[in-house]
Amino acid sequence: GAGVSQSPRYKVAKRGQDVALRCDPISGHVSLFWYQQALGQGPEFLTYFQNEAQLDKSGLPSDRFFAERPEGSVSTLKIQRTQQEDSAVYLCASSLRDRREAFFGQGTRLTVV
Amino acid sequence: KQEVTQIPAALSVPEGENLVLNCSFTDSAIYNLQWFRQDPGKGLTSLLLIQSSQREQTSGRLNASLDKSSGRSTLYIAASQPGDSATYLCAGCTSGTYKYIFGTGTRLKVLA
Repeated sequence: GAGVSQSPRYKVAKRGQDVALRCDPISGHVSLFWYQQALGQGPEFLTYFQNEAQLDKSGLPSDRFFAERPEGSVSTLKIQRTQQEDSAVYLCASSLRDRREAFFGQGTRLTVV
Repeated sequence: KQEVTQIPAALSVPEGENLVLNCSFTDSAIYNLQWFRQDPGKGLTSLLLIQSSQREQTSGRLNASLDKSSGRSTLYIAASQPGDSATYLCAGCTSGTYKYIFGTGTRLKVLA
């Protein structure tokens, strides 16, 4: 595709509900990142994939957060039993390979009520 | 742990001014550095990438430089326009890692 695509753009979840956020990276991009951005802050790293391998998940805030990229293309970030503190914008980025120019999607704004 | 500081946090200027935005890293071993623009409610748009062998990059009215000895980068915006109003974020990737670490951004408003 022309750019990184994320869906849904907006998600409202009731506290305790599970959510799944999708990221379609630029075709052929090996590296894929998920970031979390709180209001007024810079993006914070969550996790990194190289193809289908999740090489770094050190930024995931709790074991309620899970990410996968089973075929090395589309990625899903899943949050179980959502809490109010999970409310943020979740950004996905891809790059051709490690440490190259990163391209970001529009993000998914998650609001937990 | 890498920390990134952006100064100023906010800036409001009249149209036509030349601007300098600053970014500094606690770990100066920066491999790549990217400057991004973020409009309200939007994702990040890549502006400039300074790769490991480079010291600066230019695109139109934008110029970014990186001093690897000090871990500091500047983004220069010439002849600012109201359309430049946005939040500008710098992000660095240090040697031996692959993830970009972001600053908190500079919120720029250019007044017509």
